[in-house]
Amino acid sequence: QVQLVQSGAEVKKPGASVKVSCKASGDSFTTYHLHWVRQAPGHGLEWMGTMFSHGATTSHGQKFQGRLTMTRDTSTSTVYMELSSLRSEDTAVYYCARELPSAVYFDYWGQGTLVTVSS
Amino acid sequence: EVVLTQSPGTLSLSPGERATLSCRASQGVSGRYLAWYQQKPGQAPRLLMYATSNRATGIPDRFSGSGSGTDFTLTISSLEPEDFAVYYCQQYTGSSPPPFTFGPGTKVDLK
Repeated sequence: QVQLVQSGAEVKKPGASVKVSCKASGDSFTTYHLHWVRQAPGHGLEWMGTMFSHGATTSHGQKFQGRLTMTRDTSTSTVYMELSSLRSEDTAVYYCARELPSAVYFDYWGQGTLVTVSS
Repeated sequence: EVVLTQSPGTLSLSPGERATLSCRASQGVSGRYLAWYQQKPGQAPRLLMYATSNRATGIPDRFSGSGSGTDFTLTISSLEPEDFAVYYCQQYTGSSPPPFTFGPGTKVDLK
């Protein structure tokens, strides 16, 4: 059974950075893609970016303009999402979600991490 | 960007009733690339349907999906108490970034 377990809630000041982790278990970590999706309070879902199974990444460049960095540690099956230059509008629940290669849908999700940006 | 519009915004129904949720795309979407999710308060989304009409593992057969091109539908044939939630459609495209977009959601609530 695939499980994605994320790190805990964060409170950050505007201009700071946040790094959220997503630890995968139950399946071989390098055989699927991991995506980051966020949800602002009371709003819908927004795709942010992807860590592909082979280690490359892609992101919603226009939206995040170089503020988003995704990395991984294969020894611990953990993917990290770092968002810099935080603004109040980055306050959201951040989810990691699995995609089997070429599936183009997300079949397993982490529990979510609330990031609050406030002065 | 492929913009997804969902209607209605809220659907107020009673248990046992039929729910019909619409998802419309700003440009044609391959049926293979359209999925639906259910989200309950405080929970992560859960995959319901993929490739328009395929139920995800463990999803009961009262859920069905249909559609093509720019118009897709999720139908719940007879609402159970646990079905009251928000439903999102999601598409993938390789031609118009971002590759993944979601609709704004339809809330199915208790009448």
